[in-house]
Amino acid sequence: GENVEQHPSTLSVQEGDSAVIKCTYSDSASNYFPWYKQELGKRPQLIIDIRSNVGEKKDQRIAVTLNKTAKHFSLHITETQPEDSAVYFCAANAGGTSYGKLTFGQGTILTVHP
Amino acid sequence: EPEVTQTPSHQVTQMGQEVILRCVPISNHLYFYWYRQILGQKVEFLVSFYNNEISEKSEIFDDQFSVERPDGSNFTLKIRSTKLEDSAMYFCASSEQRARTGELFFGEGSRLTVL
Repeated sequence: GENVEQHPSTLSVQEGDSAVIKCTYSDSASNYFPWYKQELGKRPQLIIDIRSNVGEKKDQRIAVTLNKTAKHFSLHITETQPEDSAVYFCAANAGGTSYGKLTFGQGTILTVHP
Repeated sequence: EPEVTQTPSHQVTQMGQEVILRCVPISNHLYFYWYRQILGQKVEFLVSFYNNEISEKSEIFDDQFSVERPDGSNFTLKIRSTKLEDSAMYFCASSEQRARTGELFFGEGSRLTVL
């Protein structure tokens, strides 16, 4: 089955700096890669996603890049703010005929210091 | 904005007891899911449900677990005889029919504590 590895496990940055979180996946059939933000005790919330037919997607301060050949994708947050502090999870779908089965990475605890 | 709602928010039970966690998916969604997250760990897929039957399940979803859509709105997860290791946050999620690889909308979760 799919295996998703996520690095780093913790990331500490100063407000205004950029943050980059990287994930690799194993299933070449995966074609959907969402990123979720989870605040303490809250539900995972989708912040951005990318499908395999594009290499990059941007939404304001957040961008995601995908390298299908190398099977890795990354989350980039620019101009970080203290409210960006949370746990970030990458995920990949199972591909093929699978519906909504996501395999999550281990998560990255992002701390943005004012 | 429509949301997935879950009840209870927190349940404490004794080992061996049955537990039912309830979810109301977003009304026009047709795909439903249960995920769980053990404290401090990643979110793990349990089961997906479409057209009144299980589409896919993980190895975690053994015979102790069952899901049901008893009416047009609720989607339930039953754990027949809870074990200590079932303690986790259980998230229900749903997605639109067209979103085969689309966005999952998660509920706020039900925290299960097994003593």
